[in-house]
Amino acid sequence: DAGVIQSPRHEVTEMGQEVTLRCKPISGHDYLFWYRQTMMRGLELLIYFNNNVPIDDSGMPEDRFSAKMPNASFSTLKIQPSEPRDSAVYFCASSLDEAVGELFFGEGSRLTVL
Amino acid sequence: AQKVTQAQTEISVVEKEDVTLDCVYETRDTTYYLFWYKQPPSGELVFLIRRNSFDEQNEISGRYSWNFQKSTSSFNFTITASQVVDSAVYFCALSDQIQGAQKLVFGQGTRLTINP
Repeated sequence: DAGVIQSPRHEVTEMGQEVTLRCKPISGHDYLFWYRQTMMRGLELLIYFNNNVPIDDSGMPEDRFSAKMPNASFSTLKIQPSEPRDSAVYFCASSLDEAVGELFFGEGSRLTVL
Repeated sequence: AQKVTQAQTEISVVEKEDVTLDCVYETRDTTYYLFWYKQPPSGELVFLIRRNSFDEQNEISGRYSWNFQKSTSSFNFTITASQVVDSAVYFCALSDQIQGAQKLVFGQGTRLTINP
């Protein structure tokens, strides 16, 4: 079975540009999560969805960040405009409702903002 | 507030040694979950185990074992007879009913290096 699929794997962009990260969760999973990993702050939950509905976006740093889940098989995380401090690895993960906290992570999208 | 502390930033041992990774947690809730995840060099995090706050039984899975002690708010992870393939960053995590069971808070991680 395919795991969580993220794209792009690597993105290098210049400050001020728009960045869109994409995620395809595991089919049948009820939850989708976006995490960010940096050396300074570790793993931070940005937002999570349940059945395509955003449940908690309290981790989204600021209005420059937005996330959508238009259907059960696709989600995007957008940063507009991007800043150097947004450089990080962004992970998408999905899980089943009954398997609390058993997250299946994608390989991550490494973002570098120059 | 929730908090997970992994005091050991890095550990390096020689293959076949036993190694214990420490995890201390804080929560105001009486119902919570504890987790361990492994992040190998390839990057994606891999789920290892979940325990709920009502089950303090220790767990063993092959060379891996976990010791959950509510009295000390600890959930330690031991690898017996370590192997080079165990080299990874290991994360302890916590979720509770107050914040939402699906909302995991991760520790800073412990980088484990197993030397041949």
